[in-house]
Amino acid sequence: KQEVTQIPAALSVPEGENLVLNCSFTDSAIYNLQWFRQDPGKGLTSLLLIQSSQREQTSGRLNASLDKSSGRSTLYIAASQPGDSATYLCAAPDTGRRALTFGSGTRLQVQP
Amino acid sequence: NAGVTQTPKFRVLKTGQSMTLLCAQDMNHEYMYWYRQDPGMGLRLIHYSVGEGTTAKGEVPDGYNVSRLKKQNFLLGLESAAPSQTSVYFCASSLAGTSGELFFGEGSRLTVL
Repeated sequence: KQEVTQIPAALSVPEGENLVLNCSFTDSAIYNLQWFRQDPGKGLTSLLLIQSSQREQTSGRLNASLDKSSGRSTLYIAASQPGDSATYLCAAPDTGRRALTFGSGTRLQVQP
Repeated sequence: NAGVTQTPKFRVLKTGQSMTLLCAQDMNHEYMYWYRQDPGMGLRLIHYSVGEGTTAKGEVPDGYNVSRLKKQNFLLGLESAAPSQTSVYFCASSLAGTSGELFFGEGSRLTVL
């Protein structure tokens, strides 16, 4: 059974800081991994979909990496802004590939 | 461009009552999902569908039923609501299942008293 873990559960940083969010998964037989953003009271918005063949995927100030062999993915946010404050979740295909299994998320607060 | 729309957005039920949550998507996606989100437990898959007329159980299906009579709609039913079903429910859809991007609705907050 796929299990996805995100550490830390919460993170507070000053504006302008570069930061890394971590995601680990137990079943490494995956072909992709997605990172999502969730604002309070809202649904999830897909940020990056990284294929196992890519190792990295970039969108603006966001960069996601994927290392299947170690069962880890990271989301790098450059020059953080208060508008980046949200919960970030990673998700990997479950064993059997029926649907995505989600981590519990990292709640990010960027202080002005 | 509506994407994934959930109705209702909020609902309060008494224990034992029944209700249906409606999810509609306008992207012609084959795959649709119902998740519930609870504090400290992340999102858990309730039921999913890989196409019109199909449904399958997810991780936490007990107490829920679903139907996918039309490709664009995925209904989640609670036959006899229990306080343990108090949660935020999210519908999602995808063109290519776990191979593609997943699109979410805004969520439906359900409270069972």
